[in-house]
Amino acid sequence: EVQLVESGGGLVQPGRSLRLSCAASGFTFDDYAMHWVRQAPGKGLEWVSGISWNSGRKDYADSVRGRFTISRDNAKNSLYLQMNNLRAEDTALYYCAKGSTTGLYYYMDVWGKGTTVTVSS
Amino acid sequence: QSALTQPASVSGSPGQSITISCTGTSSDVGGYNYVSWYQQHPGKAPKLMIYDVTNRPSGVSNRFSGSKSGNTASLTISGLQAADEADYYCSSYSSRTTPWVFGGGTKLTVL
Repeated sequence: EVQLVESGGGLVQPGRSLRLSCAASGFTFDDYAMHWVRQAPGKGLEWVSGISWNSGRKDYADSVRGRFTISRDNAKNSLYLQMNNLRAEDTALYYCAKGSTTGLYYYMDVWGKGTTVTVSS
Repeated sequence: QSALTQPASVSGSPGQSITISCTGTSSDVGGYNYVSWYQQHPGKAPKLMIYDVTNRPSGVSNRFSGSKSGNTASLTISGLQAADEADYYCSSYSSRTTPWVFGGGTKLTVL
């Protein structure tokens, strides 16, 4: 069974940093692209970032480009999101999602349960 | 403001059919057959229901179907059941600077 377990969320002050992790199991991790998608309280889904199977291609939403960095460690079956210079509008539940192929630009087929990030002073 | 436009809510009675629309532009929905639909129950992770406009993943009921005409994609649920009550989101690849865009979500109420 495919499982994605996010961790690393918490309460952080504006301007500070946080690193999210996603532990994957139940599939061959390095065969698939991976994504981060977030959902602000009571709001809809927003794609944040994605990374191809071999880290050769990475992409970001305009709202986080230059502040967030996505990475992966295929040896550890893990996905990461380094979030710097956090803003109140980054407050959300952050989901890790598995891509359907090696490439970045195909749909996401399995999602984790998410980890909550709250940016507040 | 979401990139894709969905109705905020739709409703139907058990056994009926409903359709949820998702309107974008030629840079996303209209330009590519990369529309997917997700179901989200309260407090749960999204679940893939339709991919590449019309395809159903294994295990998803054939009561769920997808289509597209021009810049508008649609999700149809036939034979409504109480368990279908959830939020539904469309998503599409986009040729703009953010490559994946979502609709604002539609709350389905089964009366």
